[in-house]
Amino acid sequence: DQQVKQNSPSLSVQEGRISILNCDYTNSMFDYFLWYKKYPAEGPTFLISISSIKDKNEDGRFTVFLNKSAKHLSLHIVPSQPGDSAVYFCAASALFRGNEKLTFGTGTRLTIIP
Amino acid sequence: DTGVSQDPRHKITKRGQNVTFRCDPISEHNRLYWYRQTLGQGPEFLTYFQNEAQLEKSRLLSDRFSAERPKGSFSTLEIQRTEQGDSAMYLCASSQIAGRTYEQYFGPGTRLTVT
Repeated sequence: DQQVKQNSPSLSVQEGRISILNCDYTNSMFDYFLWYKKYPAEGPTFLISISSIKDKNEDGRFTVFLNKSAKHLSLHIVPSQPGDSAVYFCAASALFRGNEKLTFGTGTRLTIIP
Repeated sequence: DTGVSQDPRHKITKRGQNVTFRCDPISEHNRLYWYRQTLGQGPEFLTYFQNEAQLEKSRLLSDRFSAERPKGSFSTLEIQRTEQGDSAMYLCASSQIAGRTYEQYFGPGTRLTVT
């Protein structure tokens, strides 16, 4: 049972435009959500997180939106840059309920077209 | 700046052999996690430690797998009698859950190939 789903395996966006990556979850116990970026042959790099008490968190070009009623979150990257080309993973945990382990989606490969 | 380090980066072994991986977390982090990633999938949780105590083990961690974190510093993950299905990227992460900081920071991983 895939508790965290990223239904788009790939996404291509023109440089300078907005990239929107989506993630859905099924476990209502999840209360902490993160986005990671991964280049080939490297470990995931933390980008941004959000707790379930918020609906938006912003850090520079990256904004994460959380819609708890829809069990959906999204990552917006504005403006998109060539260095953003990577695989992006959504992850979730029940951190504030005492369960720290991360459950990951299968990833979305983002390609920024110059 | 010393992030999470893992050694070795690559390991090729024959089926039936034992292998051991090492992870050195960020120095002030008291939590250490092991994950496994196979092709086309996201990382899957294996186990984690708070200091030297192993707090949770996934059912993915069969009896052939053992992890330790002596003295709450580095950790080792050993796989005995390796099988071809063990081929994967083994990722280590660490965190310091304090104040409002909860993120897990990952190392570069150890890629295991079992032939």
